[in-house]
Amino acid sequence: AQSVTQPDIHITVSEGASLELRCNYSYGATPYLFWYVQSPGQGLQLLLKYFSGDTLVQGIKGFEAEFKRSQSSFNLRKPSVHWSDAAEYFCAVGGSVRGYQKVTFGTGTKLQVIP
Amino acid sequence: KAGVTQTPRYLIKTRGQQVTLSCSPISGHRSVSWYQQTPGQGLQFLFEYFSETQRNKGNFPGRFSGRQFSNSRSEMNVSTLELGDSALYLCASSAQGPNTGELFFGEGSRLTVL
Repeated sequence: AQSVTQPDIHITVSEGASLELRCNYSYGATPYLFWYVQSPGQGLQLLLKYFSGDTLVQGIKGFEAEFKRSQSSFNLRKPSVHWSDAAEYFCAVGGSVRGYQKVTFGTGTKLQVIP
Repeated sequence: KAGVTQTPRYLIKTRGQQVTLSCSPISGHRSVSWYQQTPGQGLQFLFEYFSETQRNKGNFPGRFSGRQFSNSRSEMNVSTLELGDSALYLCASSAQGPNTGELFFGEGSRLTVL
């Protein structure tokens, strides 16, 4: 079965500091991997996705993520955090389960940005 | 292009009642997925519809049901509501299927069961 683990429930960083959000996945084959962001009272928005090819993926809002097969990880990074990045971030893995497509989300990491 | 629209945005029900939530996907999208979001459980997959057919279903009791119409609009229904059904219900649409491309989410329907 596919699963996603986001070990950090809550992270606080200072504005301008770098950010790394951790994500580990479990899936038998090469997965489709996603990062989504949810602002308060909003739905989720896709930041970036990995299907194949270059393991370093660039997304919107200055975010990037690196796929590391050996570590089953897909960590999200940003070199300099802005106050508007405060939100909840979800890692997700997609794949076929018994022939059906399914996306499984992690439990999320809530990011707080302090001045 | 209009985004995913969910109605109603907020609703309050009492235990034992039933509720119907509606989702209008992005024009041209044929896949609609439903998720339940709660603080403790995160996003839990309910079901996915493609061209009026349920293709996949999560581990929820039979009280949770859904359907999709020929115009790709989808509804989900929860019967005999329980306190634990209080959650944000999110609908997401995609052009082909949930894991082959981007999921576009609506803002959700927040259900409170008293």
